[in-house]
Amino acid sequence: AQSVTQLDSQVPVFEEAPVELRCNYSSSVSVYLFWYVQYPNQGLQLLLKYLSGSTLVKGINGFEAEFNKSQTSFHLRKPSVHISDTAEYFCAVSDPGNQFYFGTGTSLTVIP
Amino acid sequence: DGGITQSPKYLFRKEGQNVTLSCEQNLNHDAMYWYRQDPGQGLRLIYYSQIVNDFQKGDIAEGYSVSREKKESFPLTVTSAQKNPTAFYLCASSIWAGLQETQYFGPGTRLLVL
Repeated sequence: AQSVTQLDSQVPVFEEAPVELRCNYSSSVSVYLFWYVQYPNQGLQLLLKYLSGSTLVKGINGFEAEFNKSQTSFHLRKPSVHISDTAEYFCAVSDPGNQFYFGTGTSLTVIP
Repeated sequence: DGGITQSPKYLFRKEGQNVTLSCEQNLNHDAMYWYRQDPGQGLRLIYYSQIVNDFQKGDIAEGYSVSREKKESFPLTVTSAQKNPTAFYLCASSIWAGLQETQYFGPGTRLLVL
């Protein structure tokens, strides 16, 4: 089974500063990678996904993520955050068995 | 307007009572899932269904039951055997399209015990 590690449970960052949310997964077999965002008391919304092709994936709201196979990482980045980006972010991995594994989440707080 | 709906948004349960959470999707997705989310934790899989009339236990199925009589519906019953039901429950669905499975989520139901 896969495991997904989000190294930072909480990330505070000032408005308009860049941010990186880290995600590592356990297996080097072919996987598919996802980032979801959750606003308070809401469901999860897909931000972006990597299935194949270019290792740099662009998503909604100005976010992007880079797939690094050798480091088994899929870190999420945004060059300039906004107050509205305050939310919980989840990394997820789907393996060849079509099992879906979620990380424990990173709470991003944007400080005005 | 396609999507996943969950109802109710908030649900209160009394001791010893069974309650049912509704999940409906009009995306024509084959697979549906139920997750439980506790504060500061990730999502834990309760049950999933890949096709009508079939479902499988996830990691924390004890105290829960499901049915999948229709493709668009996957209700979750929290039984009295679930001793700690207070949590946020999320339903998801996906096209069962081989390896390119993306899960789409409903808005969630928060269950509270009186």
